[in-house]
Amino acid sequence: DIQMTQSPASLSASLEEIVTITCQASQDIGNYLSWYQQKLGKSPQLLIHSATSLADGVPSRFSGSRSGTQYSLKINRLQVEDTGIYYCLQHYSAPYTFGAGTKLELK
Amino acid sequence: QVQLQQSGTELVKPASSVKISCKASGYTFTSNYMHWIRQQPGNGLEWIGWIYPGNGNTKYNQKFDGKATLTADKSSSTAYMQLSSLTSEDSAVYFCARRGTTGYYWYFDFWGPGTMVTVSS
Repeated sequence: DIQMTQSPASLSASLEEIVTITCQASQDIGNYLSWYQQKLGKSPQLLIHSATSLADGVPSRFSGSRSGTQYSLKINRLQVEDTGIYYCLQHYSAPYTFGAGTKLELK
Repeated sequence: QVQLQQSGTELVKPASSVKISCKASGYTFTSNYMHWIRQQPGNGLEWIGWIYPGNGNTKYNQKFDGKATLTADKSSSTAYMQLSSLTSEDSAVYFCARRGTTGYYWYFDFWGPGTMVTVSS
């Protein structure tokens, strides 16, 4: 199975700060990587697909990038509504695997 | 607009089975794969498997082989997941999620609200 190592596990940041979350894949997964935000008690919501493409309706302060097998989610100018847990997902090969999640809080 | 409506909370006894549903609307049900994902209390997300409602084909995470059975009813645009031989380990929230595509790539573009299953005597 492909392992997705996500870091950090938790993060506390200030309003308007730039935040970066990373996922390291255990092997090449190409651009078969998406990012999701989950708020407490809700289902995850798609933010980024194909590693770098912004999903419909998602604010442009979110962006995704890739360097080899390392993938990053960047939030520019953090807003109050960005708190929650963020997950990456590899869907290159089954079983599809999620990162362990990053809990993002406001400082 | 695309909507996935899931069945309500289930409280079930150990060793029993449960069948949860995911009713789709706002798109052609038979044209998109439907996936199921588990989230145990305080834990992350695990992919269970998918079904293609157009022909009933399925694929499972080996971890859930024999535990989960996915079916779909085209007439009601509803996907189902049956979980069998339940233990406390199966207590979790279960999500259905539609697979969307862009070119060669796919992703979970719409999710149901989740169904909580609690296994307890």
